[in-house]
Amino acid sequence: EVQLVQSGAELKKPGESLKISCKGSGYSFITSWIGWVRQMPGKGLEWMGVIYPPDSDVRYSPSFQGQVTISADKSISTAYLQWTSLKASDTAMFYCASGPHLDYWGQGTLVTVSS
Amino acid sequence: EIVLTQSPATLSLSPGERATLSCRASQSISSYLAWYQQKPGQAPRLLIYDASTRATGIPARFSGSGSGTDFTLTVSSLEPEDFAVYYCQQRSTWPRLTFGGGTKVEIK
Repeated sequence: EVQLVQSGAELKKPGESLKISCKGSGYSFITSWIGWVRQMPGKGLEWMGVIYPPDSDVRYSPSFQGQVTISADKSISTAYLQWTSLKASDTAMFYCASGPHLDYWGQGTLVTVSS
Repeated sequence: EIVLTQSPATLSLSPGERATLSCRASQSISSYLAWYQQKPGQAPRLLIYDASTRATGIPARFSGSGSGTDFTLTVSSLEPEDFAVYYCQQRSTWPRLTFGGGTKVEIK
């Protein structure tokens, strides 16, 4: 069974750093692109970017370029999304997704940024 | 950037009725369109890809059509579990994808 398991919910303060994870199993992680999707409270889905774990080729959506960093460790079939300095406006649910048509999705990681 | 416009924003229907959802692209995307369903508190689920191909395990009451700039998702007879938000997504500019704003199908 294909699974993408994300790290747990986070409560952070503005200015703090954060790295969330997405671990794949049950499929060929190292030959599949993995993307990240943001969903702000009560809003729609936004494509953030994607990584190809075999060579860590990363492509960002223009809206997120410079705002986040996407990385991966193919040895443990895990992709990451990180921030160096969180803002309140980063509060959202973040999903990882993979497969040729985004067939597989993680369960989501809720990030709350509040002072 | 390709913009996807979904209509209507909200569709109020009763179980058993037919639902017709629209997605329009700002420029031609051939057939590189997918549809997802999202229920409250859940991750999106792939329904349709390449405009008209049902994903694994998706019931036959879901169908997709269209090409170029105009696409339609049809649910032939709504079941109670079909009331949700539906998003279209284009991959013609892979790896830069875009999603539509969503259509909420609610119980009338």
